[in-house]
Amino acid sequence: EPEVTQTPSHQVTQMGQEVILRCVPISNHLYFYWYRQILGQKVEFLVSFYNNEISEKSEIFDDQFSVERPDGSNFTLKIRSTKLEDSAMYFCASRWTSGFAYEQYFGPGTRLTVT
Amino acid sequence: DAKTTQPTSMDCAEGRAANLPCNHSTISGNEYVYWYRQIHSQGPQYIIHGLKNNETNEMASLIITEDRKSSTLILPHATLRDTAVYYCIVRSTGGGADGLTFGKGTHLIIQP
Repeated sequence: EPEVTQTPSHQVTQMGQEVILRCVPISNHLYFYWYRQILGQKVEFLVSFYNNEISEKSEIFDDQFSVERPDGSNFTLKIRSTKLEDSAMYFCASRWTSGFAYEQYFGPGTRLTVT
Repeated sequence: DAKTTQPTSMDCAEGRAANLPCNHSTISGNEYVYWYRQIHSQGPQYIIHGLKNNETNEMASLIITEDRKSSTLILPHATLRDTAVYYCIVRSTGGGADGLTFGKGTHLIIQP
C-alpha cells in the first residue's frame, strides 16, 4: 500500500540554524500539507500546498517557514532560523483529489529537537 | 467548521466493541463527519467518514444520528493495537486544500 514517507525521523539542531524536513507524498496525490505537534499538545495545521503554490497557511506559518516541491516527488518544509519553541513532531500529509473527500494520509513524522 | 465534543478518555476490554461518541450539534447540511486516530506519536491515520448514512469499512463503522447532531465510531472487536487517541472532525464538502483542525480527541485504552 502506498504511503507518505518522511526524512529524517529525528533531527537535532541548534537554535538559529536552518533545517529542512523532507517528505515524499503518495505519488498521484495533488494536495500536500504540513502539520506539527508539540509534545503533549494537539496536532496543528501549518500549511497546505497545491499546484505549486501555498493554498492556505495558519498563523503559526510565519516568515520563518517556507515550503517547496523541488521536483515531482519531494515536498519540503524549511525553517530558516530555528527557535526552541519549534521543537515538535512535524507531519507531512497528502490527499488525492479536491472532491468531497478529506482523507489525508499522514507520514510517520520527523521529530525536531532544537537545543 | 462545526465544533465537536468528545469524552477525554474511555476504556474498553480487548475483543469487545469500542463505541466512541462525538457530539456535533451545530453541524450544517454540507458538513461531513471524519474520524482519524493517532497511535502514540505516530502520524494521524484516517479511519472513516460519512455525511448522513451509516458507513462501514474494514476498520470501523460510523453511525450518524438522523438529526446529524451526534455520531458514534464503532470498532467491532477492539485489540490492544487500537489503543490510540481518536479524533472526530467535521468538515464541509467542496474543494480546497484546507487543513484539518484537530481537537484533543478521545484517548481510548484497550484493556487486556
